Amino acid sequence: RKEVEQDPGPFNVPEGATVAFNCTYSNSASQSFFWYRQDCRKEPKLLMSVYSSGNEDGRFTAQLNRASQYISLLIRDSKLSDSATYLCVVNRAGNNRKLIWGLGTSLAVNP
Amino acid sequence: GAGVSQTPSNKVTEKGKYVELRCDPISGHTALYWYRQSLGQGPEFLIYFQGTGAADDSGLPNDRFFAVRPEGSVSTLKIQRTERGDSAVYLCASSTAGTGGDTQYFGPGTRLTVL
Repeated sequence: RKEVEQDPGPFNVPEGATVAFNCTYSNSASQSFFWYRQDCRKEPKLLMSVYSSGNEDGRFTAQLNRASQYISLLIRDSKLSDSATYLCVVNRAGNNRKLIWGLGTSLAVNP
Repeated sequence: GAGVSQTPSNKVTEKGKYVELRCDPISGHTALYWYRQSLGQGPEFLIYFQGTGAADDSGLPNDRFFAVRPEGSVSTLKIQRTERGDSAVYLCASSTAGTGGDTQYFGPGTRLTVL
């Protein structure tokens, strides 16, 4: 089993739709969680960190469920510019500096 | 301010050759990371520097790979006797302190193609 698992998609949604991605992680002692966004042939960029209490940034909401060991990302009112790959990232327990990356979930928002 | 820069942006080499990839982190960032990303995969950790020292090199695939950061700023990833399987995008990232919660800022990557 991979340490961080994501549904690779692709997710194809119309503009204005709400879309949700889930990610599961295997190490229950993991401490830090992130969602990164990566556009085609570009470097990853931090979208948001994920906190236990859940956090929201505009149209984006991230949640963490430690009991079930999954992280979610909700995008409301999808825009064409949201089309990208969304990478779930988890720090490996006992070594705060090594991040383990999921394969990414591909999103295409269509007009 | 300036972000993380990497040179070259593209490198094509022949099997068996030696290559060097350079990373210039954000000024003041003490932590520097190298990753490798193949098509359709997430970034794969290679090595992490805190200052001048390699704090964790457990991701280097074998002894053909080596990285240095002699002055605690610029880093060079060196690959000896390149193989076709080394073809990937090599990403460098830096962060302020290297703790688990701080943001890693990525450079644009070097696309390495081994023929």
